[in-house]
Amino acid sequence: QQPVQSPQAVILREGEDAVINCSSSKALYSVHWYRQKHGEAPVFLMILLKGGEQKGHEKISASFNEKKQQSSLYLTASQLSYSGTYFCGTGAPADSWGKLQFGAGTQVVVTP
Amino acid sequence: NAGVMQNPRHLVRRRGQEARLRCSPMKGHSHVYWYRQLPEEGLKFMVYLQKENIIDESGMPKERFSAEFPKEGPSILRIQQVVRGDSAAYFCASSPAASVAGYTFGSGTRLTVV
Repeated sequence: QQPVQSPQAVILREGEDAVINCSSSKALYSVHWYRQKHGEAPVFLMILLKGGEQKGHEKISASFNEKKQQSSLYLTASQLSYSGTYFCGTGAPADSWGKLQFGAGTQVVVTP
Repeated sequence: NAGVMQNPRHLVRRRGQEARLRCSPMKGHSHVYWYRQLPEEGLKFMVYLQKENIIDESGMPKERFSAEFPKEGPSILRIQQVVRGDSAAYFCASSPAASVAGYTFGSGTRLTVV
């Protein structure tokens, strides 16, 4: 079963912050985050492996609450280049090791 | 160090024809994954392969679709007797080891069935 992402879309002005959530009904051992620009391949941002772990990539960071089976992606002081669709991918012990199920995506539009 | 190479980038097939999509993983990567993406939708898992082995094909339709990753050469996703509903972008991704590293995606093959 695929993880659920929210919100579906968000519009930001440059410099504003946003949070994207990813929730799974399964126990997870990993959460990945990717960004895809229109017509291009998804690009890996970061992977989280432990409960409560946080990671950062530029001004983008994420957390993973293993107990709640949830992850959040934080876009801080957004830049125009942050526009795109963000996908979380989840790895679950119930699935084959290495397989990721992706959420439906959150479209982010950053305006000047 | 070339990334994941997919070809062709665009493929047009008439209904009933066969489509062959190729994927060469990054050097040093032994795990290959295929995903299908419809316009404005997410990535749907199809199949996970290692060299000469299908690890998980739970996302593959039972009929007309097959995948392989031979000892030599690229991974192939084969769709026989294509129908309009097969039109989509097909992405291949690779990783050096299961789950501990992020996927590297190819640029995708956009299949259009006319």
